[in-house]
Amino acid sequence: GQSLEQPSEVTAVEGAIVQINCTYQTSGFYGLSWYQQHDGGAPTFLSYNGLDGLEETGRFSSFLSRSDSYGYLLLQELQMKDSASYFCAVGTPLVFGKGTRLSVIA
Amino acid sequence: DARVTQTPRHKVTEMGQEVTMRCQPILGHNTVFWYRQTMMQGLELLAYFRNRAPLDDSGMPKDRFSAEMPDATLATLKIQPSEPRDSAVYFCASGLVLRVNTGELFFGEGSRLTVL
Repeated sequence: GQSLEQPSEVTAVEGAIVQINCTYQTSGFYGLSWYQQHDGGAPTFLSYNGLDGLEETGRFSSFLSRSDSYGYLLLQELQMKDSASYFCAVGTPLVFGKGTRLSVIA
Repeated sequence: DARVTQTPRHKVTEMGQEVTMRCQPILGHNTVFWYRQTMMQGLELLAYFRNRAPLDDSGMPKDRFSAEMPDATLATLKIQPSEPRDSAVYFCASGLVLRVNTGELFFGEGSRLTVL
């Protein structure tokens, strides 16, 4: 089976940088995905790392280290609209972590 | 604007009643998933279809839940009889096989179920 660990809550200041970590245990690994979910909304796909290293998409970046079974999501130039829950996920079908609730404060 | 459509968006029912939730996946997507989200358990996989065939429903309580895809444009999740512990948001998601293997799913807005 699969299991994922991520912090339950993170608070950061508008304009700052925040990193959300994720460690995973899985029997067969194909990659690490990240999703964003605003309160009352649907999860939306942010990024996927199939290989080690950093993937950048605008203000968001995601990193993977397969040897450490570890990844993170990096959000730069934080905006109030980034306040949401962020989920890491592995596998097919996807198994999700419990989510990290990010609060961006002024 | 392609999107996954779920109905109903909200449902309040009494314990023991049958509940049916429907999902229209994005046209052309050949994989469909049902997830349930609660504060305590997070996002849990209930069922998974590829080309309308069920591949994994191990996360679904078999005695009361059933999931089907009568055709490529419709997936259903039925609970009979419903219980208060079934109260949750139920999400349908769809994707293309190759994109699903890179973790990319498209979620509907969810059906919020409250069982009294």
